[in-house]
Amino acid sequence: TQTVSQSDAHVTVFEGDSVELRCNYSYGGSIYLSWYIQHHGHGLQFLLKYYSGNPVVQGVNGFEAEFSKSDSSFHLRKASVHWSDSAVYFCAVSPGGSSGNKLIFGIGTLLSVKP
Amino acid sequence: DPKIIQKPKYLVAVTGSEKILICEQYLGHNAMYWYRQSAKKPLEFMFSYSYQKLMDNQTASSRFQPQSSKKNHLDLQITALKPDDSATYFCASSQDWDWGGVTLYFGAGTRLSVL
Repeated sequence: TQTVSQSDAHVTVFEGDSVELRCNYSYGGSIYLSWYIQHHGHGLQFLLKYYSGNPVVQGVNGFEAEFSKSDSSFHLRKASVHWSDSAVYFCAVSPGGSSGNKLIFGIGTLLSVKP
Repeated sequence: DPKIIQKPKYLVAVTGSEKILICEQYLGHNAMYWYRQSAKKPLEFMFSYSYQKLMDNQTASSRFQPQSSKKNHLDLQITALKPDDSATYFCASSQDWDWGGVTLYFGAGTRLSVL
């Protein structure tokens, strides 16, 4: 059974700060890892995805995430946040194969960016 | 303009009644999905469809029935509604049904409250 853990329910930073949102997963086989963002009242939007290769993947709007097999982690980072980055961020995993279309999401981390 | 349209945005129903949640996507995608987000819980995969064919069903209850009249439509019929069905239901799509790592595009959701 795959699980996704986002240990921080709420993170508050100031505009211009850097931020790291944590994601840990448990799964024994090959998986795809992704991050999605949800602004209030809207659907989720894709940020970035990792399967293999360079463990640091770049996404939209200056976001990047780093995969660590040893830590079973896929943390999301941004060097300098903007107020518009305030949203809920979801980490998701999906196994390959016939279940590859079934994304398993974490509970989400609410990022609040103060001016 | 939103490319995945979900109607209605809000829905209030009485226990035991039946409702249909509407989803239309205008991205030209071939695969569509339903996810559910209950309070304090992660998004939960319900169904996946490819070219109007059911590919995966993770919903134990037969009260939930997807209906696909056209390739870009995937409605969700819920019968004998219960208060536990209260949640936000998200429709999503992807270019194709794939063997892993699909990128999902989400609608804004239908928030269902069952009294």
